[in-house]
Order: sequence, then structure tokens, then C-alpha cells
Amino acid sequence: DTEVTQTPKHLVMGMTNKKSLKCEQHMGHRAMYWYKQKAKKPPELMFVYSYEKLSINESVPSRFSPECPNSSLLNLHLHALQPEDSALYLCASSQEGAGGAGGGEQYFGPGTRLTVT
Amino acid sequence: GENVEQHPSTLSVQEGDSAVIKCTYSDSASNYFPWYKQELGKRPQLIIDIRSNVGEKKDQRIAVTLNKTAKHFSLHITETQPEDSAVYFCAEGGATNKLIFGTGTLLAVQP
Repeated sequence: DTEVTQTPKHLVMGMTNKKSLKCEQHMGHRAMYWYKQKAKKPPELMFVYSYEKLSINESVPSRFSPECPNSSLLNLHLHALQPEDSALYLCASSQEGAGGAGGGEQYFGPGTRLTVT
Repeated sequence: GENVEQHPSTLSVQEGDSAVIKCTYSDSASNYFPWYKQELGKRPQLIIDIRSNVGEKKDQRIAVTLNKTAKHFSLHITETQPEDSAVYFCAEGGATNKLIFGTGTLLAVQP
């Protein structure tokens, strides 16, 4: 399996809802990432997990809560979001330390299109 | 600070022509430079990458060149086809898992 999968594809939630985004990979990668992407902008890093431990948090508001239950799964728990949080949320994975450069090739999932109403 | 400049922001070429996109980075410690292609509504896809110990890498119609002294790298697409139309992002990576992305180039290949 050479793919990163994400569910759901689309999500509409109110500002008081609690929802979760899920990401899965079976490539044996030990680094997993959450990115946020607004229209016509580059992906913006949110979190990095390395060997199932949070290694980078890019000062993301606490209404976004990541979780890495095991080496294949990555979740992003959402609570009390704001309309400006509407975006495409991308998950990615890479081999840890491949070549010692940027964690090696990062492979992206198809994303979850989130709309906060 | 962390910054990758990417130019041009939009590029229109005729089918069969070449396209060149350039990126400039600031972190001397960066040693990994990937390029991603993102079609409308789809995921970014890695199309080619280069590491700092190499000056050029080619894969069929796509090539990437790196000038570490000047801190810039470029994507070259030859014999462009309509299916090359997409947004292209450069990125830089260093000792951590973090990639810094450029601002993107919208490439339109006119048939």
C-alpha cells in the first residue's frame, strides 16, 4: 500500500461541534504531519509526529488537538472552531530521517475539505 | 527567518514550449528541495526532488537544478502538455522533518 488515506472527504460543522479527522498510512513511515491549506496558498504545517510522539507544534490554537494512536494512524480532533478555520486539511507521511534531510519524501493524502458554519 | 520565494506566481506557455519556475531560500542548513504538483481539488504530489550533494536531477521531461552558493533552485519542464497545467510548489527541508513551501506557481499550458 503506497497511499495515505483521509476521512472524511468533506466535513461541515458548526462552531460548537466536536469532530475528528482521520489519516492512515501503511507504508511503514514513522513521521506523520497535519497541514492546513487555504485556497491558492501553499500547505501550512500544523503538527509533526515522529515515532508517535509530537515533535513539532507550529503554535496551533488549542481548538485543534492532534493524536497519534499508533504508527499508522493520525487524528485531528476539532472543537469550537471558527469560520476562518475552513480550509483543506492535509495529512502527510514520510520515512523518519531518510537521508537526514527534511525527513525525506513527504506523501500527502487527498485531504478533508472542512467548512465551519 | 524561514522563507522561500517562488517566481513567477503565474506562468502561461504554449503546448510544446518549456516552463521554468525558480525558488530562492534563506536557510544555509537546508539540504532537501522537493517540488510538488497540485491539480485543482487534488492532493500535492511529489514530482521530483534534489538533495544538496547534487547539482542537477532529471526525470523524463522534468529537471531540477540547485545552486547552493546562490541559494536557489529551479524546476524545468520541457515539451509542456496541457496535463502539466497545475499549481507547482517548491519546498526546502533541513535537519528536521519540517518543509517550508514556496508560494506556488500557477502553470497554464495552452493547447
